[in-house]
Amino acid sequence: AQSVAQPEDQVNVAEGNPLTVKCTYSVSGNPYLFWYVQYPNRGLQFLLKYITGDNLVKGSYGFEAEFNKSQTSFHLKKPSALVSDSALYFCAVRALGGSQGNLIFGKGTKLSVKP
Amino acid sequence: GAGVSQSPRYKVAKRGQDVALRCDPISGHVSLFWYQQALGQGPEFLTYFQNEAQLDKSGLPSDRFFAERPEGSVSTLKIQRTQQEDSAVYLCASSSSGIGNQPQHFGDGTRLSIL
Repeated sequence: AQSVAQPEDQVNVAEGNPLTVKCTYSVSGNPYLFWYVQYPNRGLQFLLKYITGDNLVKGSYGFEAEFNKSQTSFHLKKPSALVSDSALYFCAVRALGGSQGNLIFGKGTKLSVKP
Repeated sequence: GAGVSQSPRYKVAKRGQDVALRCDPISGHVSLFWYQQALGQGPEFLTYFQNEAQLDKSGLPSDRFFAERPEGSVSTLKIQRTQQEDSAVYLCASSSSGIGNQPQHFGDGTRLSIL
């Protein structure tokens, strides 16, 4: 069965420091991986995706993620965190079988960036 | 509008009442998804439409949940005889692709509270 794990409930970072939000996945076959961000009382906003190709994917708002097949990981990174990056971050993998379109989400990681 | 629109934003109902939640996807998007997000959790898949066809309803928790998209655009999620465990945020997402390689664009959700 496909699954996504986000091992950290919360990540605390000082503004200007690099940030990493971890994600590991379990899926048979080639994964389609996504990162989304959710602000309070809002829906999820797409940040970036990995489908195929270059393992380093660049996305919105200066975020990037590195696909590592051997470690089955897709960690989200940003070189210099902003206070406005504080939000809830979700990693997701496309489900295989069935509709082959719906996403399986991790439980989320709360990112807190302090001034 | 440019994004996915959901209404109402908030819905309070008494246990046993029926509710209907509306989703207006991005114009031209083929795929439409419904997810349920419990407090402190990631979204969980409910059902998927490609145009007007409901291709996957494996995530619907019971036969009290029903979704339709009769003309391939607007969708309605109906919950009959609501129960307290139905309290959650219901998210709708649409995508231009039916094969899962394009991001899903989410609405802001409907927060359902069952008293």
